[in-house]
Amino acid sequence: QVRLVQSGAEVKKPGASVKVSCQASGYRFTINYIHWIRQVPGQGLEWMGWINPNNGDTQYAQKFQGRVTLTRDTSLTTAFMELSGLTSDDTAVYFCARDSPEYDFWGQGTLVTVSS
Amino acid sequence: EIVLTQSPATLSVSPGERVTLSCRASQTVGDSLAWYQQKSGQPPRLLMSTASTRATGIPARFSGSGSGTEFTLTISSLQSEDFAVYFCQQYHHLPSFGGGTKVEVK
Repeated sequence: QVRLVQSGAEVKKPGASVKVSCQASGYRFTINYIHWIRQVPGQGLEWMGWINPNNGDTQYAQKFQGRVTLTRDTSLTTAFMELSGLTSDDTAVYFCARDSPEYDFWGQGTLVTVSS
Repeated sequence: EIVLTQSPATLSVSPGERVTLSCRASQTVGDSLAWYQQKSGQPPRLLMSTASTRATGIPARFSGSGSGTEFTLTISSLQSEDFAVYFCQQYHHLPSFGGGTKVEVK
């Protein structure tokens, strides 16, 4: 069965970077784009960007341009999201999701807390 | 950027009631619209794609309609497990989400 399993919760200081992983299984990894979406606790969903696991092409939301980097390792069937220049406003749950083109499978979410 | 506006923000209902949620797009998205259900501490779950196609395993009491800029999600008879937050999302252009509608117990 299709599964997306994300790395565990992180606590970071302002100005630091965080890298979250999303390991895919149960399907051919290179076929479906992987998107990253975040959710500030108690609020809505915010799209951050996508990566094409087949060739590494990426597209980022304008809000995160220059701060977010999406990569993948096809040998590990894993996608990564790195966010730099963290502030308290980046405290959120970060999700990966499979593009079909709707999001039919999601990771469990990774809580990133930014606190001094 | 395509802005999705959901209404109402909160809906207080009793089990067994019919529920209608609205999602309006700032420009046409064709039928490239999905609905998700989210419960506390969980990722969203896909309910509907292409505006009106139920996802695998979604009960028939859920239905979707609309195209262009106006969309509706209907729950014909609300069950206890349906109390949750519902989001719409467009994938016609760069993805975006509505702000959500919370369906709560009356």
